[in-house]
Parts: sequence; structure tokens; C-alpha cells
Amino acid sequence: DTGVSQNPRHKITKRGQNVTFRCDPISEHNRLYWYRQTLGQGPEFLTYFQNEAQLEKSRLLSDRFSAERPKGSFSTLEIQRTEQGDSAMYLCATTWGSGNTIYFGEGSWLTVV
Amino acid sequence: KQEVTQIPAALSVPEGENLVLNCSFTDSAIYNLQWFRQDPGKGLTSLLLIQSSQREQTSGRLNASLDKSSGRSTLYIAASQPGDSATYLCAEGGWRAGNMLTFGGGTRLMVKP
Repeated sequence: DTGVSQNPRHKITKRGQNVTFRCDPISEHNRLYWYRQTLGQGPEFLTYFQNEAQLEKSRLLSDRFSAERPKGSFSTLEIQRTEQGDSAMYLCATTWGSGNTIYFGEGSWLTVV
Repeated sequence: KQEVTQIPAALSVPEGENLVLNCSFTDSAIYNLQWFRQDPGKGLTSLLLIQSSQREQTSGRLNASLDKSSGRSTLYIAASQPGDSATYLCAEGGWRAGNMLTFGGGTRLMVKP
């Protein structure tokens, strides 16, 4: 257990539904990242927060995706109008400052049927 | 665009063997390089972090090296054990987006008793 908590761990949803994932970071970590990982591939960067500010978004993050980190604590990743291609594991990672070890949560598996 | 490649994609060795996993990256101006372990269906566990100013890091039976000039990193595992079976991912930390990580595709390691 790295101390980064993600919920739910598994979500099965019908195409077109909205889903939301939550990440609770290690308390003193000011940097938070979301990644997406499909089977057999390495994780791909989605977005980055420093405290409550969203400072970077990947082109992978279409307008159906939105992420927030109110008050610089927990973060949510919402996917609207889900598509089958959204099926993946969504990973949250956190750290403090720059150049330090990045800690990942256990991930949230999404299956869109 | 930074790219990270890991060779081999899969490796099977008998218990007790010493082994080397390879990682190459295109961005010579990396901030740091991190090696992770991932068990099936789980999140990532950080193994070793090498800053760009360092040449290697060691933890127990693991040793990771970094050669920025050639764009290569290696993870050396001594006296492999069945419990080492997992996917090993290397990730380059860049200067942008809070040192966001760019991952390779991973090496799936199986250590046979």
C-alpha cells in the first residue's frame, strides 16, 4: 500500500453513461497526476495538478474528460458519455516537490459495455 | 515527442539467474528516470529513482544505471526469485508538467522455480 487511495477499484458501465473516479493522495503531496493504462501497455499521461491548479492536460484528454482537485486535496476524474475505447485502468499518482519518487495508487478499472 | 522503449518485452529465466532489463529513451535532457514494478491487475510500485546527475542507484538485489549520453538505463536483478515475477516498467521524468513520466511498454518477467 503506497498510501494513494483510488475508488472505485472496478467499474462496469454501459456506453453513454458518465463515470467518476476519485483519488486520495498522501496528505503532504502537492503534485497529483492521472494516467491511463491499457492491457500490455505502459501508462500514458493524462493530466497534472499542482495543489488545486490543473497545469497540464494531454491531448488524450478529450472534452468528455474532466478532472478537478478542489482545495488541493483529493482529485476526481470524470468521463462523460463513455465509449468502449475508454475501457482501461485509470491510475492516480502523487508526489511532493520536484524530482522525487512518484507514488501510484492501485488504479481504477473501467469496462465500458 | 519523448519515446521510451523496453527490450525484451518478455523474459523467462530459471530461479537464481542474474538478469538485465533494458530501457532506452530519446530525450537526453531528462530530469530523472524511475523503475517500477507492476503485478497483474495492480498499480505501480516504485523500485529505484535515478536523478539526471546520478549514474546508478542500488536497493537490495536491484541496481539501476543511467547513461544519458547514450539514452539508456538498465535494471540489474541479482539472484532472481519466483517472487520477482512481474512486469517492470521504466519511465523518464521530463522537465514539463511537473516532471511527468513517459513510460516504456514494460518487460514481463517470469522467474521459474
